[in-house]
Amino acid sequence: DAKTTQPNSMESNEEEPVHLPCNHSTISGTDYIHWYRQLPSQGPEYVIHGLTSNVNNRMASLAIAEDRKSSTLILHRATLRDAAVYYCIRLYSGAGSYQLTFGKGTKLSVIP
Amino acid sequence: DVKVTQSSRYLVKRTGEKVFLECVQDMDHENMFWYRQDPGLGLRLIYFSYDVKMKEKGDIPEGYSVSREKKERFSLILESASTNQTSMYLCASSFRHAGANVLTFGAGSRLTVL
Repeated sequence: DAKTTQPNSMESNEEEPVHLPCNHSTISGTDYIHWYRQLPSQGPEYVIHGLTSNVNNRMASLAIAEDRKSSTLILHRATLRDAAVYYCIRLYSGAGSYQLTFGKGTKLSVIP
Repeated sequence: DVKVTQSSRYLVKRTGEKVFLECVQDMDHENMFWYRQDPGLGLRLIYFSYDVKMKEKGDIPEGYSVSREKKERFSLILESASTNQTSMYLCASSFRHAGANVLTFGAGSRLTVL
């Protein structure tokens, strides 16, 4: 049970920012929020994760709401290579917890 | 970069055959996972292993077994393949990064059972 809710699909124009939303209203205080993406014909790849603070890396930024019930993955300038299915996952990262359960994700289309 | 290699990208098997899907990772990760991916259902966890010879059931273990005899290798076994096991199978290993477990996936093995 992924326990996250994402839109089924979104569109963006190339070179514009993209904001991918995720709701996780039942998240507990020790759950991390992870984002993965899956390009066509490939396995998923890790994008970013965070707990409470906003996070940035070379691929994207993650904005986490103050109440932690929602988050937004931000791609600052969408490229055609960013067209993929994006998965938002919550994961308890305590000792002995190893499972990530993926939902259906958001299919992002990038328009040239 | 961590590399997770799945031995076969495409397999076609007949109902009742025994099927082995092999996965090897080259970064000494302790945790390894097998998922299946079906249209409209996302990724579902079949089994995972947190150490050699250790295994835990995931969400959909029925009809599958696993083997982890060496740290780098995690095998998924279908004892008697059925048509409803036609799917994309994804192997992954995980490492700790910034307080959380991060997965690295292989490219996938697409199995068709006739």
